Amino acid sequence: QQQVKQSPQSLIVQKGGISIINCAYENTAFDYFPWYQQFPGKGPALLIAIRPDVSEKKEGRFTISFNKSAKQFSLHIMDSQPGDSATYFCAAVNAGGTSYGKLTFGQGTILTVHP
Amino acid sequence: KAGVTQTPRYLIKTRGQQVTLSCSPISGHRSVSWYQQTPGQGLQFLFEYFSETQRNKGNFPGRFSGRQFSNSRSEMNVSTLELGDSALYLCASTLLWGAAETQYFGPGTRLLVL
Repeated sequence: QQQVKQSPQSLIVQKGGISIINCAYENTAFDYFPWYQQFPGKGPALLIAIRPDVSEKKEGRFTISFNKSAKQFSLHIMDSQPGDSATYFCAAVNAGGTSYGKLTFGQGTILTVHP
Repeated sequence: KAGVTQTPRYLIKTRGQQVTLSCSPISGHRSVSWYQQTPGQGLQFLFEYFSETQRNKGNFPGRFSGRQFSNSRSEMNVSTLELGDSALYLCASTLLWGAAETQYFGPGTRLLVL
């Protein structure tokens, strides 16, 4: 059972544009929602994360929007740069429960930013 | 601080063999998790160890096992390798598991089973 659905699978954006990636989850026990960025040959690296008591979190050009009632969250990358080209994963965690160590990931979005 | 290190980085094995992968967490981190990454299934949780105890396990067959040592270093073992075990195996460490803890991933070990 896929508990976190991510879309789109791939995204092409022009330099300076806005990249938007969406995720939806099913398990209401999830209480922490990180986004990871992965470059080829590297492990995923934490980009930004949000807790469900906050509707939006911004860090530089990266913003998470969170809709608890719809069980959806999204990543917005403003002023997208070629260096942002990578695979992005949303994830969900039951950090307060006993799901020790377990991140449930979306399927990933391959972002390509053209110069 | 040094990041999570994994050895070896690349490995080629044949069906039926077994393999052991190693992970050294960030200094001071006591929780180590393992994930399998494949193009078809994405990132799948294997198991988590804390203070040498497995606290959580994903939906993988018993051929996949792991352990953690007193210095928090961890190993995972896959016995009787199958072609479908070809994947990138990622290790992640965190200081402890609780609210808002962040997992830091290593670069992974890429396993190819022929």
